[in-house]
Amino acid sequence: SAVISQKPSRDICQRGTSLTIQCQVDSQVTMMFWYRQQPGQSLTLIATANQGSEATYESGFVIDKFPISRPNLTFSTLTVSNMSPEDSSIYLCSVARTNSYEQYFGPGTRLTVT
Amino acid sequence: AQKITQTQPGMFVQEKEAVTLDCTYDTSDPSYGLFWYKQPSSGEMIFLIYQGSYDQQNATEGRYSLNFQKARKSANLVISASQLGDSAMYFCAMREEGTGNQFYFGTGTSLTVIP
Repeated sequence: SAVISQKPSRDICQRGTSLTIQCQVDSQVTMMFWYRQQPGQSLTLIATANQGSEATYESGFVIDKFPISRPNLTFSTLTVSNMSPEDSSIYLCSVARTNSYEQYFGPGTRLTVT
Repeated sequence: AQKITQTQPGMFVQEKEAVTLDCTYDTSDPSYGLFWYKQPSSGEMIFLIYQGSYDQQNATEGRYSLNFQKARKSANLVISASQLGDSAMYFCAMREEGTGNQFYFGTGTSLTVIP
C-alpha cells in the first residue's frame, strides 16, 4: 500500500485567489492523479501528473486553471487558480504503480470558495 | 453511455444484517478491473475490494465480497454483518486496460446502518 498525505486538509478562500495543494507519498509511485469531487457528486479526474513533463489533462480541465507540478516520484502539487465558488470541492490526490491494479487516495483537501 | 451505474442513491440496513450494493458497468475492453471504495463523512477514499475481469472466483476481503457476474456486467458489493461504522458513501469504479489509467466512478450509494 501507499501512505498519502495532503496539505492543506481544508481551506476557505476568497474568489479570485489561488490555492496550491500538496500531495506527498511515502514511497515512489509511477502514476499520480488529481481528482475533484464536487458536493454530493462522484469523483472526476482532473489530470494525470507526469514526472518530468507536463500533466495530461482530461476534457474540461486546462492547465491555466489547474497547473500541476510533479518534480519527483513522491510529490505533486495542484493549484486551483482564480477561484470561484464553483471550485468549492474536495480535491483528492491518488497514486498507482505500474503492473499493480491498486489505486490509493489521499485524505483529500476540502476547499470552500466564498 | 455511463461506464459505471449505481442505481441506489441511498440504502438502509439493520445492524448485523447483510446488504448488497448494486453496480453495473459498460465496457468492450476484455481486460478491466472493478473496484469498490468507501468514503466516510471525513472525505477520504478507502479501498475495499478489487475484481479482475479474468478472475474466476469472486473476490472477498473480510466482511466484503464482490458478486461478479461477467455476462450481466454487474459487480455488486455484499457487506455481511453490517456495523454502525459501515455508514458511508460507497463508490464502484472501473479501470480499463485499453484506456490506461482512467478510472471511471459511479455516482455512489449512501449506506446508513441502523442500530
